[in-house]
Amino acid sequence: SAVISQKPSRDICQRGTSLTIQCQVDSQVTMMFWYRQQPGQSLTLIATANQGSEATYESGFVIDKFPISRPNLTFSTLTVSNMSPEDSSIYLCSATNRDEAFFGQGTRLTVV
Amino acid sequence: DQQVKQNSPSLSVQEGRISILNCDYTNSMFDYFLWYKKYPAEGPTFLISISSIKDKNEDGRFTVFLNKSAKHLSLHIVPSQPGDSAVYFCATFNAGGTSYGKLTFGQGTILTVHP
Repeated sequence: SAVISQKPSRDICQRGTSLTIQCQVDSQVTMMFWYRQQPGQSLTLIATANQGSEATYESGFVIDKFPISRPNLTFSTLTVSNMSPEDSSIYLCSATNRDEAFFGQGTRLTVV
Repeated sequence: DQQVKQNSPSLSVQEGRISILNCDYTNSMFDYFLWYKKYPAEGPTFLISISSIKDKNEDGRFTVFLNKSAKHLSLHIVPSQPGDSAVYFCATFNAGGTSYGKLTFGQGTILTVHP
């Protein structure tokens, strides 16, 4: 199994600012993903973090709003840019190997 | 289009009894099916999974059943304990192809186990 450290665990941000969330995995993993859970809803995939290249975004998510980096196999960042109250969610980093998926503790973001 | 559905938003059971959580899916190409438990303000915690080539997997108090013809899976918790109270998500997982590693989640079921 893999242990994922995600930080910050929570933050309250002013609208119009940006927040970068970090995700560190304790072992090399095949894939890394970023998910969002809006209040009262299920988890939705934002993008696949590709090592050394641009992330692959799901429908409804764009790089300008959610820039993602993955400089190596065990580390990724997600930035939530130009935040608005609608971005208030839990953001989760996930890492997968062959047939298992692991999650960080999540970042609870509140935009005021 | 919701590919994974958990039609019961909540379930309440008595301690010691069985909890049965259900999940339906539409895409027969998924490779694995997983159950996660999530407490408030925490990330999802992996519980148990089942490969698409099996129909049952058991781990302690947790058993997952897969009915491929009905595109239905269920999680049984026996006996239920108050500490099991959480939101349970079923998810599907692709082990290959362009969707490799991606999870598709159901909406979640809130389980409450009463002492």
